[in-house]
Amino acid sequence: GAVVSQHPSWVICKSGTSVKIECRSLDFQATTMFWYRQFPKQSLMLMATSNEGSKATYEQGVEKDKFLINHASLTLSTLTVTSAHPEDSSFYICSASGAAQETQYFGPGTRLLVL
Amino acid sequence: QKEVEQDPGPLSVPEGAIVSLNCTYSNSAFQYFMWYRQYSRKGPELLMYTYSSGNKEDGRFTAQVDKSSKYISLFIRDSQPSDSATYLCAMSGAGGSARQLTFGSGTQLTVLP
Repeated sequence: GAVVSQHPSWVICKSGTSVKIECRSLDFQATTMFWYRQFPKQSLMLMATSNEGSKATYEQGVEKDKFLINHASLTLSTLTVTSAHPEDSSFYICSASGAAQETQYFGPGTRLLVL
Repeated sequence: QKEVEQDPGPLSVPEGAIVSLNCTYSNSAFQYFMWYRQYSRKGPELLMYTYSSGNKEDGRFTAQVDKSSKYISLFIRDSQPSDSATYLCAMSGAGGSARQLTFGSGTQLTVLP
């Protein structure tokens, strides 16, 4: 149980385009979803927390107009990187937590490369 | 001082060895303690989750929590090359956003065949 999927697993795009990453909880209802960014050999950096049906809460230093997060249902959250630039290239990971869960279950991650 | 300190490693052991991974924390309000395993280019996988002091065992893995010393450990018995990964400790329950995790920096483990 507690499976989280992400799509796509990797994406290459041109500078200036927007990229959407989907995160789905497959076998439980995710009342809260989290989006992280991870640089090589570093730990996870929390970008934002979203509760189903509410606006996301962004961490300090994360541009909410740059990283649009939508959590429209209890099984789906999306992260859209708008007008992507090479410095946005990174590994993006989502996680999900259900109403009775005190931990987070992570997706497999999406590798983004902006040329 | 970071809220959660984790021995960064890297740690290299022979196959079959017992591995000990450790984290200390400064915030006594943390209530829930987790260990995640992360393979290269993959998302973290939950290994162990506990919320009380003491030991919790699952197969070759034992998680130990000592709240009085603010210290948690993960022991891996009979280590295998497939255990080679980065191990992250994580904690939550200290207020703020519910279920938000505070991570250690990770320990990179290599088990040599």
